[in-house]
Parts: sequence; C-alpha cells; structure tokens
Amino acid sequence: EPEVTQTPSHQVTQMGQEVILRCVPISNHLYFYWYRQILGQKVEFLVSFYNNEISEKSEIFDDQFSVERPDGSNFTLKIRSTKLEDSAMYFCASSEARGSGDTQYFGPGTRLTVL
Amino acid sequence: DQQVKQNSPSLSVQEGRISILNCDYTNSMFDYFLWYKKYPAEGPTFLISISSIKDKNEDGRFTVFLNKSAKHLSLHIVPSQPGDSAVYFCAASGTDSWGKLQFGAGTQVVVTP
Repeated sequence: EPEVTQTPSHQVTQMGQEVILRCVPISNHLYFYWYRQILGQKVEFLVSFYNNEISEKSEIFDDQFSVERPDGSNFTLKIRSTKLEDSAMYFCASSEARGSGDTQYFGPGTRLTVL
Repeated sequence: DQQVKQNSPSLSVQEGRISILNCDYTNSMFDYFLWYKKYPAEGPTFLISISSIKDKNEDGRFTVFLNKSAKHLSLHIVPSQPGDSAVYFCAASGTDSWGKLQFGAGTQVVVTP
C-alpha cells in the first residue's frame, strides 16, 4: 500500500542552525502538507502546497520556514534558523485533491530536537 | 483557537466491549470529519471519515456518527481489541479553509484484557 515517507526520523540540531526535513508523498497525490506536534500539544497545521506554490499557511509558518518540491518526488520543509521552541514532531501529509472530502495521509514524522 | 475539542483525554475499556470517543466542533463551515489513530513515535493513521451530508459511516468495527445540529461526532469501536490501544484524534476541514485540518487534542484509549 502506498505510504508517505519521511527522513530523517530524528534530527538533533543546535539553536540557530538550518535544518531540512524531507518527505516523499504518495506518488499520485497532488497536495502536500506539513503539520507539527509539540510534545503534549495538538497536531497543528503549518502549510499546504500545490502546483509549486503555497496554498495556505498558518501564523506559525513565518519567514524562518520555507517549503519546496525540488523534484518530482520530494517535498521539503526548511527551517532557516532553528529556535528551541521549534522542537517538535513534524509530519508530512499528502492528498489526491484539496477539496473538503479528501483524506490526508500522514508520514511517520521527524522528531526535531533543538539544543 | 479550539475549533475541535475532544474533552476526554483518556478512555479505558475492556476487550470485546464498545469504545465510544466523542468530539465537538464550533466551526459551522466544517463539512468533512476524520478520525485518525496514532501510536507513539508514529504518524497519524487514517481510520474513517464522514461528510457533513451524512450522519453515519461504517467501516468494519468502526462507525462514525455525525450530529450536525449539535456539532458533535462520535467514533464507535466494537468490539474493542488490544491493538486498538492508541491515541485517537478527531480532525475537521471546511469550505472556508480547504485542506487545512484542525485537530482535537486526542483521546488515549487503553483496551484491557
């Protein structure tokens, strides 16, 4: 069964460093998303992406964050200068379409630890 | 901004009995609701969904009920099995923000022998 994959599973970085989290969405899906879950908190939407453009972003997704689809398979989330509060699980998701009624399938997540 | 609420942080149920998980929402623009199951150190796994034009959707042991007037949905798992022990998230999306899922805080389900 097709699935969303993410690498690395765990990333440890120093505050102020740049990190890139990678995702391979399900191959026939056209819409891509990043969510995060800070320990003990809800899963929060960060950004949605379609046709090489950001469709929507949350207030969390500030100028330190960027997303890119560098090739036909990968979808990346970059954090330019990490802060302690960026420590969280980051989940990538994809869906066939974006209409309400389209299920998003999630990857296993990347645990980001900022020291 | 708590548009989706799961007021029960935990639920303990005996194997073979019914598990009932509840979820309330406030945004009347929501028209698609999903339940995800999550094990520790894994991503949310899609379980079942329901569109706002329906009031019930069933898939095997899982049934989701939607009461639009009360802005309430519930997930029934019957019979509960030990492998059902996980955190269950309710999520919703709507026509005012397609694709952006709003999640509840989750309910930890423990199925005991």
